[in-house]
Amino acid sequence: KQEVTQIPAALSVPEGENLVLNCSFTDSAIYNLQWFRQDPGKGLTSLLLIQSSQREQTSGRLNASLDKSSGRSTLYIAASQPGDSATYLCAGGSGGSNYKLTFGKGTLLTVNP
Amino acid sequence: GAGVSQSPSNKVTEKGKDVELRCDPISGHTALYWYRQSLGQGLEFLIYFQGNSAPDKSGLPSDRFSAERTGGSVSTLTIQRTQQEDSAVYLCASSPAVGALNSIQYFGAGTRLSVL
Repeated sequence: KQEVTQIPAALSVPEGENLVLNCSFTDSAIYNLQWFRQDPGKGLTSLLLIQSSQREQTSGRLNASLDKSSGRSTLYIAASQPGDSATYLCAGGSGGSNYKLTFGKGTLLTVNP
Repeated sequence: GAGVSQSPSNKVTEKGKDVELRCDPISGHTALYWYRQSLGQGLEFLIYFQGNSAPDKSGLPSDRFSAERTGGSVSTLTIQRTQQEDSAVYLCASSPAVGALNSIQYFGAGTRLSVL
C-alpha cells in the first residue's frame, strides 16, 4: 500500500526566498507523481507531473524532481512570491495503479511580503 | 474551456438523511474520479469511472456510499443515511484517459458536506 508523507507540514518564508518542499513515498513502483496546489475553498490545481521514467519537470519558477530509488520527490520554488501562498500536495499512483492517487497531507506555505 | 464543475458547493444535512453530490467532468474526459478530504486527513480515493463503468470501488467507505455515471459524462455520488463522520469535502476529478503516463487529473472545487 502506497503511503505519502510531506515535510514540513507548514513553512513560512519571506518574499524572494528560494524554497524546497519534500515528499516521500513508500512504494517505488510509482506510475507518476504529481504536485498540486490547493487554495482555501478551492479545488486542486495541477502544477507538475513527473512520469516514472523521468527525473524532473520544470514549469516557470517551479521544478520538481523524482528519485524512485530513494522514494523521494522535491518541489523547488524559486524567488517565492506572496501569491505562492497555498497548500502544496504531492500524490503518487498506488502500487500497480495507474489511476488511484495517494496524497500526502500537504505543506501549508506562507510567503510574507 | 470549462473545468470540472461540482454542485452544490456546500451542503448541510441532518444525520440520517440521504444526499446526492454531482460532478460534471471536462468534456471529452473518459475517466472520472471521486476523492474525499476530511479535516486533518489527506485526500482519500473513493471510486473511479472509465466511461460509465466503475472498475474500482474499493475506496468507498461503506455500503451507504454509491456512485453512478451516465452518458460517459455526469456522475452522482450518493450517501445514504448520512452520519457525522461523513462530513468532509468531496472532490471530483477527470482526466482525458487512464493509463497514459501523462494523464493529469483535473479537479473541481469540491462539495463541502456538513452533517449535523
